[in-house]
Amino acid sequence: DAKTTQPPSMDCAEGRAANLPCNHSTISGNEYVYWYRQIHSQGPQYIIHGLKNNETNEMASLIITEDRKSSTLILPHATLRDTAVYYCIVFQISNFGNEKLTFGTGTRLTIIP
Amino acid sequence: DTAVSQTPKYLVTQMGNDKSIKCEQNLGHDTMYWYKQDSKKFLKIMFSYNNKELIINETVPNRFSPKSPDKAHLNLHINSLELGDSAVYFCASSPRGQGLLAFFGQGTRLTVV
Repeated sequence: DAKTTQPPSMDCAEGRAANLPCNHSTISGNEYVYWYRQIHSQGPQYIIHGLKNNETNEMASLIITEDRKSSTLILPHATLRDTAVYYCIVFQISNFGNEKLTFGTGTRLTIIP
Repeated sequence: DTAVSQTPKYLVTQMGNDKSIKCEQNLGHDTMYWYKQDSKKFLKIMFSYNNKELIINETVPNRFSPKSPDKAHLNLHINSLELGDSAVYFCASSPRGQGLLAFFGQGTRLTVV
């Protein structure tokens, strides 16, 4: 039940902006878009999430298209430590405490010195 | 002051043995999880507990038994270990009703020989 599609791998030069795309063409109106990353041998790390509007925090920016069928995670000034697998996840938040992260295959981002 | 801590980090054991992995979170979260990442790097949820109550139990063999003595701890006990149990096991926690806003531990690499 793949709700998102991401390129398997990308390269980005150190210091440049890394733009990671995600397609979620079947997203429903109350589903959020979440991004996580997993640096080698570490646990996944939450990055950012959004519903409709673009979002920015200290780690990244999330741009969601107006039709919400795709989004882009932007790391504004990529460093070598940003080399990781990045996961895009769409999900509807509930109040029942039964949410679960469903990870796909993600995008392996490699920052080139 | 690690938020989600797991012990041990590495565990090598023989087939047929029983082992436990411990997890503790100091974030005051109500919900805790166990995820398994196999050799192909797929990350899947196994269990979730909400304030010591089992909420999610994916299709996991009965040999795996989570135990939550209090809401800050969720331990994973595995009986009669098999070769296929070799994987990295991640513990995570999240505030109630925000299952996608999870904080992960560093993982326990289990190797069954």
